[in-house]
Parts: sequence; structure tokens; C-alpha cells
Amino acid sequence: AQSVTQLGSHVSVSEGALVLLRCNYSSSVPPYLFWYVQYPNQGLQLLLKYTSAATLVKGINGFEAEFKKSETSFHLTKPSAHMSDAAEYFCAVSEEVNKAAGNKLTFGGGTRVLVKP
Amino acid sequence: KAGVTQTPRYLIKTRGQQVTLSCSPISGHRSVSWYQQTPGQGLQFLFEYFSETQRNKGNFPGRFSGRQFSNSRSEMNVSTLELGDSALYLCASGRDSGNTTYFGEGSWLTVV
Repeated sequence: AQSVTQLGSHVSVSEGALVLLRCNYSSSVPPYLFWYVQYPNQGLQLLLKYTSAATLVKGINGFEAEFKKSETSFHLTKPSAHMSDAAEYFCAVSEEVNKAAGNKLTFGGGTRVLVKP
Repeated sequence: KAGVTQTPRYLIKTRGQQVTLSCSPISGHRSVSWYQQTPGQGLQFLFEYFSETQRNKGNFPGRFSGRQFSNSRSEMNVSTLELGDSALYLCASGRDSGNTTYFGEGSWLTVV
């Protein structure tokens, strides 16, 4: 069974500082990994996706994530936080091209980011 | 290109009633998934439909059901509503397994 752990339910960063959100996963098969962002009263917006093409994945809004198989991690970073980055971030995993699994995503518990001016 | 559209956005129901939520996927997407989001349990997978067939199901009671139509639109139904069913219900669509899944804005259900 797949699982996702996000370390830290809340993270506070200063505007202009590095944003680092941690995600560890477990999967019995090569995974697809995702980061989504959720702004208040909205759905989930895809930030980026790992599909085994490259270990460093660049996403929207200046975010990127690095897949480390040895550490089963997929941490999300952004060099310089902006006030508009205040939101909740979710890491998710699905099995790679497994027809039986379909598009089922298993989510981490989420990390709420607060950006201080 | 239109995104995933969910209706209604907000609704209030009484315990014991039933509710039907609707989802229109992105054009060309044949996979539709449903998730429940609550503060206590987070995001939980309900079920997924692909070409009108349920392909995967999460650990929810039988009161939660869904279906998909030939145009890929999907509905989910919750019968005999309980207070604990109050949640944000998110619909997501994708082309097929392993493809990117895109989410709608969600339907906020409050059970009183």
C-alpha cells in the first residue's frame, strides 16, 4: 500500500526566504509523485509532477522538487517566498502506469505555509 | 479550455437526506475521480470511473456511490446523510492511468 508523509503541518517563512516542504513516500512500485497547492476555498492546483524522466522537476510559480529514490523523498522548494505563496500544499503519489490502480492518488496530510512580511 | 466543473458549489442538507453532486471533466478526459476532504481525515479517495466503469474504490461505506455517463460526466451520491459527511468533495479528471489529474473547485457539503 502506498503512503505519503509530510513533515510539519504548518511552516512559517519570511518573505524572500527559502521555502522547503518535506515529503516522504512509500510505494511498492515506481511511483508518480505530485505536489498540489490549495488556496482558501478552492480546489487543488497542480504545481509539478515527477514521472521518472528527470529527478529535478520544475513547476509553476518558481517551485521545484527533487526525487531521491534512496531517501524515498520528494521535497518541494522555492528559493524566495512571496506573500502569494501562503496556502496549503499537498504531496501525492500514484502507481506508475498501473491500469488497475487507475488514477488513484494517495495524499499526505498537507502543510500550511504562512508567509511573514 | 474549460477546467473541471463541479456543481453545486455549496449546499446544506439535513441528516438522513441524500445528496447528488455533479462533475464535468475536462474535454477529452475519460477518468473521473472523487475525493473527500475534511480537517480531521484530510484528502481521501472515494472512487474512480473510467469509460463508465468503476475502476477503483476507496474505503467508504456503501452510502457513497457514483456513476459516469457516456459523455464522461460523473455524479456521486450520498444517501442517509450523517453529520460526519460534512466535507469538501473534490472531483478530478485525467486522460488515463498515470496522466496528470486536474481538480475542480469542489462542492462544499454541510450536513445539519
